[in-house]
Amino acid sequence: AAGVIQSPRHLIKEKRETATLKCYPIPRHDTVYWYQQGPGQDPQFLISFYEKMQSDKGSIPDRFSAQQFSDYHSELNMSSLELGDSALYFCASSSNAGWATDTQYFGPGTRLTVL
Amino acid sequence: AQSVAQPEDQVNVAEGNPLTVKCTYSVSGNPYLFWYVQYPNRGLQFLLKYITGDNLVKGSYGFEAEFNKSQTSFHLKKPSALVSDSALYFCAVRADAGGTSYGKLTFGQGTILTVHP
Repeated sequence: AAGVIQSPRHLIKEKRETATLKCYPIPRHDTVYWYQQGPGQDPQFLISFYEKMQSDKGSIPDRFSAQQFSDYHSELNMSSLELGDSALYFCASSSNAGWATDTQYFGPGTRLTVL
Repeated sequence: AQSVAQPEDQVNVAEGNPLTVKCTYSVSGNPYLFWYVQYPNRGLQFLLKYITGDNLVKGSYGFEAEFNKSQTSFHLKKPSALVSDSALYFCAVRADAGGTSYGKLTFGQGTILTVHP
């Protein structure tokens, strides 16, 4: 079965640079979520989209922005990168408009390292 | 606000023995509870979820979990552990705010399960 695809899988950036992470949800899934997992931490919710509209927002820094496109893929844009942004970034997708009962299926993650 | 607690950072069991990974939760509204497993350098894999109905939920790879409303717990169990079950396990919760919810998953801190041969 098709899974959530994330690219790139690994990314190395310098401080103050920008980064763009991409997420391709499972086919026919209409809701996308972004999470950040720091070293030894649990995943923290950043933001979610349903039908190209932002549906929920968590602890996402103002330096970050995201959007969902007409083909349902999503991009997380990160600017003015800081050392503390080094983390594993997960995208997840779900169907049925993201009802609370829906299962979120996670991608393999993008490991961002900021030097 | 919603929260999840996994009181044990690590659980060690011998192969073939039963295992339990503990989880307690706090939410306003109906709780929807999930277990995920994470292998090193991999994404989160869905194991099982509780929505409503039977308190004992069966999931992937022989895992099951028991929902206990009075104790606000959702412990993960397996009758006979395998070495390959060694991984990081996360319990997570979403709350039903009385209607459509596009909301986030809130995760516990994670429990490292080690199964010894």
